[in-house]
Amino acid sequence: QVQLVQSGAEVKKPGASVKVSCKTSGYTFTDYYLHWVRQAPGQGLEWMGWINPNSSVTNYAEDFEDRVIMTRDTSINTAYMELSRLTSDDTALYYCARAHIIGTTGYFDPWGQGTLVTVSS
Amino acid sequence: EIVLTQSPATLSLSPGDRATLSCRAGQSINNYLAWYQQKPGQAPRLLIYNASNRATGIPARFSGSGSGTDFTLTISSLEPEDFAVYYCQQRSFFGQGTRLEI
Repeated sequence: QVQLVQSGAEVKKPGASVKVSCKTSGYTFTDYYLHWVRQAPGQGLEWMGWINPNSSVTNYAEDFEDRVIMTRDTSINTAYMELSRLTSDDTALYYCARAHIIGTTGYFDPWGQGTLVTVSS
Repeated sequence: EIVLTQSPATLSLSPGDRATLSCRAGQSINNYLAWYQQKPGQAPRLLIYNASNRATGIPARFSGSGSGTDFTLTISSLEPEDFAVYYCQQRSFFGQGTRLEI
């Protein structure tokens, strides 16, 4: 079955960077876009961007485009999201989510289990 | 930017009741809308895509309708496991969520 397994929780200081991984299995990695979505404690969902694992083309939300980098390693079917210049407002659960339909970006299914990133001095 | 407004913010019902959740878009989005369910401590789960198509494995009591700017998620008869937060989504935009509580 399709699985997305994310890396473990991180604690970072303000100004630092964090890199979260999303290891996929159960499907052809390069066939489906991968999204990153975050959720601050007790809050709603915020889309950060997507990567096309086939071409490595990315599309970032305007709020993140100057400090997020999404990459992938096709040899190990893994996607990465690196967020820099962290502040306390970046404390959140970060999810990777595969596009629901092959070759499209529209809907998200399934999702990884989430990675908690805590930013604290 | 597309604004998705969900109502109500909180819906209090009982098992066996019918639930009707609303999502309104700030401009026409045709039928490009999805619904997700999120339970505490879990990742969201896709329920409905393209406004009315149930995702794989989603029970028939969940149905979606609407097009243009007004969309509805209906749960015909609530089961205890349906009490959760529900989000609508269109491309890079999410609604703020509706909490369905007992």
